[in-house]
Amino acid sequence: AQSVTQPDIHITVSEGASLELRCNYSYGATPYLFWYVQSPGQGLQLLLKYFSGDTLVQGIKGFEAEFKRSQSSFNLRKPSVHWSDAAEYFCALNFGNEKLTFGTGTRLTIIP
Amino acid sequence: GAGVSQSPSNKVTEKGKDVELRCDPISGHTALYWYRQSLGQGLEFLIYFQGNSAPDKSGLPSDRFSAERTGGSVSTLTIQRTQQEDSAVYLCASCPAGARGTGELFFGEGSRLTVL
Repeated sequence: AQSVTQPDIHITVSEGASLELRCNYSYGATPYLFWYVQSPGQGLQLLLKYFSGDTLVQGIKGFEAEFKRSQSSFNLRKPSVHWSDAAEYFCALNFGNEKLTFGTGTRLTIIP
Repeated sequence: GAGVSQSPSNKVTEKGKDVELRCDPISGHTALYWYRQSLGQGLEFLIYFQGNSAPDKSGLPSDRFSAERTGGSVSTLTIQRTQQEDSAVYLCASCPAGARGTGELFFGEGSRLTVL
């Protein structure tokens, strides 16, 4: 069965600290992989995507993600978070059809 | 318009009433999606349009839910005889072609539906 899992419902980090949000998937091939961010009261915005090639992809707002085929993972990272990064983050996959399947999201809280 | 526009932004209704939610996608985007976001849940796919056709409506929860798209542009999601479990944020997204292409969906800010 095709699925995407975000194991962490809520993460709290201090401003300036590093961040890693986890995303795992179950699929027989390599899906297209995405990270979206939803700031309070706003729609979702694409942070970055992976289709093929270099497994480390750079996105907007200083985020990056690494695709690891052996672990079926696509974790999102940022070296130093800012208070404005507080939001809900969604991993999403395209399993070769015309829709995106989203994870349940990880809520990020930043403490001063 | 510049982005995906949804209306109303908030809707409170009584159980049993019908509601219509509207989505105006980015001009020229042929693909349009409806998702539902419930508290503590991820985004649940409802239906996908390519032009005015809906090749995938597998996510519609029941026959109380329907959607249409006209002129390859505006879409309306209709929920008949609303139930309390229909309370959620309904998100619309559009895409130049389809998710299998660029995969980037452009989302509206959503319509928050509360069924009392």
